[in-house]
Formats: sequence, C-alpha cells, structure tokens
Amino acid sequence: DAKTTQPTSMDCAEGRAANLPCNHSTISGNEYVYWYRQIHSQGPQYIIHGLKNNETNEMASLIITEDRKSSTLILPHATLRDTAVYYCIVRVLAAGNKLTFGGGTRVLVKP
Amino acid sequence: EPEVTQTPSHQVTQMGQEVILRCVPISNHLYFYWYRQILGQKVEFLVSFYNNEISEKSEIFDDQFSVERPDGSNFTLKIRSTKLEDSAMYFCASSLKSSIRVGYTFGSGTRLTVV
Repeated sequence: DAKTTQPTSMDCAEGRAANLPCNHSTISGNEYVYWYRQIHSQGPQYIIHGLKNNETNEMASLIITEDRKSSTLILPHATLRDTAVYYCIVRVLAAGNKLTFGGGTRVLVKP
Repeated sequence: EPEVTQTPSHQVTQMGQEVILRCVPISNHLYFYWYRQILGQKVEFLVSFYNNEISEKSEIFDDQFSVERPDGSNFTLKIRSTKLEDSAMYFCASSLKSSIRVGYTFGSGTRLTVV
C-alpha cells in the first residue's frame, strides 16, 4: 500500500469547515483513498473513500487532486463531536485487505 | 445501523494467564479481523479470517495468538499466555465481500490489562 503523510494535529472552530489534507504521492492506479476516524480510543469509524472523482456522503466530502497524489477530507460544519484522530489510508479495493493505519491527524474542534 | 459487538469491554488478567476476547461481527459479513492499539500508539493489524481460516496475519500474531469462529456468529481471539506487553485495546472488525463498497465496521474494543 502506498504511504500517506498527514499533519500531526490541527484545530478547527465549531461550525466551520475542517479541511484535512493528505499526501499520497506514490499511490498506484488501482489504489483507493480511504478516510477513517477514531474518537477517543473507540474503534475506527469509516468515513468515505474514493478513487479519482470527488465524493460526498452524509459525513464528509473527499476531494482528490487530478494527479491523485493528494486529497482533502472536508467536514463541512465541524461539531465538538468531530474531535478525533483522522486517518488517511490508501489501499486496493478488495475484500479482505488489511488496513494499515498511520499516525493520523488529531483534530480538535473548539467552541 | 448494524454493529460489531465486543465483550468484555475491559478485562484484567494476570501475566501468563490465557484470555479470550469475544466479538460478534455483523451477520452478513464474511471477513473478520482483529487489530490492536497499545496506548498512545498506532492501530495495528493482527489477523484476517475468511471462510474459516486465517487469510493474513502480521508478525505480531505469533504462536501465542489464535482465532476461531466456533459457532457461526462469534469470532474470538485467544492469547494463550499473556505478557505485560499484550496490554492494549483490541478491536474486532468485519467487512462485506463487495466490489462496490468494502468498508470495515469496527467494534468498540476490549481493553486488556495484563498485570
């Protein structure tokens, strides 16, 4: 799996959009970008994934650059409950593949 | 929304004792996993399980570890002789076999403390 690089931490104001960057410059053509988050030692929670098109669901939006070497997870209106560690993971879309977690970005949403 | 259920939420055991961590995956999922997270460290893959056999395991998953799906609903992780360094959060996860969306669902974890 390609390696990802994320900032260690970031703060965000409640109610504002949170933009979480991720670099994955060695991504292969068949690798997807996945985002998970972990709220205070709970199990990681799936957020969104994409290949090359931008994706949106009820939780977030995923913007992937045209060259696919980086992406941004957008939480449109951050709430205090969005405080968590966010992980950007690159993997092949295939059932049964393990997830390789890096250090992630610790996001603190402040009132 | 379907959940992966793990029991117990917290277990304390003495070094050298056997411990079994239990998980009930989502009912129509076919792939099952165990991960662990030592306090303050990354989430680490331990093992994946499909069709009643291990499909992949990490270096961490040595002979002291075993997994089993004894009755078609539970998925267990056994540590035969616990060490202090086995203290961690252990997460069970399951996933569908699907070419459209293959997201994992994690349980809320079991905190294992070896004393």
